[in-house]
Amino acid sequence: AQSVTQLGSHVSVSEGALVLLRCNYSSSVPPYLFWYVQYPNQGLQLLLKYTSAATLVKGINGFEAEFKKSETSFHLTKPSAHMSDAAEYFCAVSVAGGGNKLTFGTGTQLKVEL
Amino acid sequence: SQTIHQWPATLVQPVGSPLSLECTVEGTSNPNLYWYRQAAGRGLQLLFYSVGIGQISSEVPQNLSASRPQDRQFILSSKKLLLSDSGFYLCAWSAGTTGNTIYFGEGSWLTVV
Repeated sequence: AQSVTQLGSHVSVSEGALVLLRCNYSSSVPPYLFWYVQYPNQGLQLLLKYTSAATLVKGINGFEAEFKKSETSFHLTKPSAHMSDAAEYFCAVSVAGGGNKLTFGTGTQLKVEL
Repeated sequence: SQTIHQWPATLVQPVGSPLSLECTVEGTSNPNLYWYRQAAGRGLQLLFYSVGIGQISSEVPQNLSASRPQDRQFILSSKKLLLSDSGFYLCAWSAGTTGNTIYFGEGSWLTVV
């Protein structure tokens, strides 16, 4: 079965600094990988997804992620953090034959400080 | 465009009482439908998954059940709530093909007291 591990349940950055949220996956078949963002008391919004096309995926709000098969990673980055980026971020994986069901990591809470 | 609605947004229920959370999707047909639960510090857990009317897969054994009486309606129920049923419940939908984006509703906060 596939799984996702998010390193760091809480990450704090200064406004304007690089954002790096880590995600490693485990899958015996080629995965589909997703990053979602959740603002307080709201549902999840898709930031970006990898579906076996380009390994560098650009998403909304200036975020991007790079699929690295050799490292089984799909880390999320943003060059310059903004206060509005403060939220919880979830990495998720699905695989072909799995019925389009997502398996989520436990999430990373991003705090942006002045 | 497609939209997803779930209600109620907030619910406080006593232990042993019944539960009904409803979800509807508009602007698409024959969607996959999902119920997820989010507990603090534990990410999102898939509870139920449906590929069509009356077709429900339960992902984890629990005190809850789901039904899909119409193509775009998904209901989460319980006959007798437990304290451990408290959490944030999210309904979601997707087109059927693997790799398609799953879109989430705004969620329902359930507190069992």
